[in-house]
Amino acid sequence: ELKVEQNPLFLSMQEGKNYTIYCNYSTTSDRLYWYRQDPGKSLESLFVLLSNGAVKQEGRLMASLDTKARLSTLHITAAVHDLSATYFCAVENFGNEKLTFGTGTRLTIIP
Amino acid sequence: KAGVTQTPRYLIKTRGQQVTLSCSPISGHRSVSWYQQTPGQGLQFLFEYFSETQRNKGNFPGRFSGRQFSNSRSEMNVSTLELGDSALYLCASSLRTGQTQYFGPGTRLLVL
Repeated sequence: ELKVEQNPLFLSMQEGKNYTIYCNYSTTSDRLYWYRQDPGKSLESLFVLLSNGAVKQEGRLMASLDTKARLSTLHITAAVHDLSATYFCAVENFGNEKLTFGTGTRLTIIP
Repeated sequence: KAGVTQTPRYLIKTRGQQVTLSCSPISGHRSVSWYQQTPGQGLQFLFEYFSETQRNKGNFPGRFSGRQFSNSRSEMNVSTLELGDSALYLCASSLRTGQTQYFGPGTRLLVL
């Protein structure tokens, strides 16, 4: 059974600092997603990573995928308050629409 | 293009009742998936429909069921509600299997 682990669960960081969220998964997978969720809201798609070595960047967020290590990272550069949210990684196997989600990382940016 | 819509947005029911939630996917999307989100269990997959056929099902009891109509709209039903069914129910749609899933705003169900 596919398991997805995220760490840390909670992250409190100052504005302007850099940090990384880690996502490990237990079995070979074809796609890895990063989603953002604001309190009381739905999930917003951030990145889709399809192959080993894939790197995608949007603003202050950069996601990467290492399929050999079964590891994805979400790097935050020079954090700003607007990035405060819960971030989820999710793994999907080809031909199976089911997403297996990590536990989420609640990120709080302190001014 | 309009996003995924879900109705109702909020619902209060009592134990033993049943509930039906509705999801309209993004126009042109044929795959619809349902997820349950709770503080204790996180986000869990319920089921997925494509072209009116259930293709995948998560580890939920038979009280949870769903269907998809020819226009790709989907409904999920929960019978004999239990307190533990209180959750945010999210619907997601995609063009087809393997494409990015876009989530709706969710239906927040409270069972008293």
